[in-house]
Amino acid sequence: DSGVTQTPKHLITATGQRVTLRCSPRSGDLSVYWYQQSLDQGLQFLIHYYNGEERAKGNILERFSAQQFPDLHSELNLSSLELGDSALYFCASSVGTSGTGELFFGEGSRLTVL
Amino acid sequence: QQQVKQSPQSLIVQKGGISIINCAYENTAFDYFPWYQQFPGKGPALLIAIRPDVSEKKEGRFTISFNKSAKQFSLHIMDSQPGDSATYFCAASHKLPGEDSNYQLIWGAGTKLIIKP
Repeated sequence: DSGVTQTPKHLITATGQRVTLRCSPRSGDLSVYWYQQSLDQGLQFLIHYYNGEERAKGNILERFSAQQFPDLHSELNLSSLELGDSALYFCASSVGTSGTGELFFGEGSRLTVL
Repeated sequence: QQQVKQSPQSLIVQKGGISIINCAYENTAFDYFPWYQQFPGKGPALLIAIRPDVSEKKEGRFTISFNKSAKQFSLHIMDSQPGDSATYFCAASHKLPGEDSNYQLIWGAGTKLIIKP
């Protein structure tokens, strides 16, 4: 158990809909990262928050947005969903900003868009 | 220049054999090289990591070999076991310009390793 909690574990929705994925980092970790992993694909970095502030953006679509709240949990919002958005979405946390620190990953939220 | 190229994409090794996964990079600013292991249905987990000031790091059956001049690093799994069957990701990290301690972690594409009993 990494200590990172993601909900929901599974989500099935239709094209055009909007969903929110939630992540609670490990206790004491200030950084939250979101990654997308499509079937048998690598990890695509989406966005990084540190202590409530956005620190880096990766290949995140404009239809996607995220935020980190004062209690350090984070939410990833996916809107106007398309079939291609079906993927595993991982949240990871770390104490600092991942220079040499370990990233602790949650078990992911599997999104299926029909 | 920001890429980390990982090979092979998939690898099948007999139980007891040596599994070798290679990664190459171009950006000499990278200063931390972790390997992550991911089992099906789970998130990746840190396996072993190395800094460029050493050429090798060993933890149990897992060894990272690092060649700074060639800008390559590799993961060796000795006496490979069926329980090692997983996807392995290499990555490289460097500090971004600016005053804040902000780092960028670049991931390889992953290697799906299957150990045959």
